[in-house]
Amino acid sequence: KQEVTQIPAALSVPEGENLVLNCSFTDSAIYNLQWFRQDPGKGLTSLLLIQSSQREQTSGRLNASLDKSSGRSTLYIAASQPGDSATYLCARMEGQNFVFGPGTRLSVLP
Amino acid sequence: NAGVTQTPKFRILKIGQSMTLQCTQDMNHNYMYWYRQDPGMGLKLIYYSVGAGITDKGEVPNGYNVSRSTTEDFPLRLELAAPSQTSVYFCASSYGPQGGPEAFFGQGTRLTVV
Repeated sequence: KQEVTQIPAALSVPEGENLVLNCSFTDSAIYNLQWFRQDPGKGLTSLLLIQSSQREQTSGRLNASLDKSSGRSTLYIAASQPGDSATYLCARMEGQNFVFGPGTRLSVLP
Repeated sequence: NAGVTQTPKFRILKIGQSMTLQCTQDMNHNYMYWYRQDPGMGLKLIYYSVGAGITDKGEVPNGYNVSRSTTEDFPLRLELAAPSQTSVYFCASSYGPQGGPEAFFGQGTRLTVV
């Protein structure tokens, strides 16, 4: 059974900092990887999808990279803002399904 | 656009009661999923469907049933509610691995079994 881990479990940073969230898998034979944001009591919002043939994706201040050889993905958030405070989840596609990590809870302090 | 819609948003059940969580999507996605999320844990797959009339078990299917009579709808049935089923339930959909793997999620149903 494949596992997805995320480090750190929680992170608190002052506004304006650049930060990196990490996602690792036990099997580097990855298909697709998706990053989500979850606000408290809410559903998941898709941030970035990296397909297996890609190495990175960018959207605004967010950049996600995928290194299949090491079984890792990173989410880079530039110039963090208090509105970025949320839980960030990564999920790899395994067959026809998604396997989720436990998430990183981010707090950006004004 | 509505996307993925789940009802109800909240529900309290007594042990042994049954209920159906509704999920509908308007994106003509073939793939639909039900996940549960427990505090501090990642999402775990309960059931999934790759098209109308086709369903399959995920990682934690015990105590649940699903059906997929149409492309749009994928209800999740709890027959005999147990406290272990207290969780937040999320429905999701996508075109699938070949057609477009990006998943879209509903807002969740928070279920408490007492």
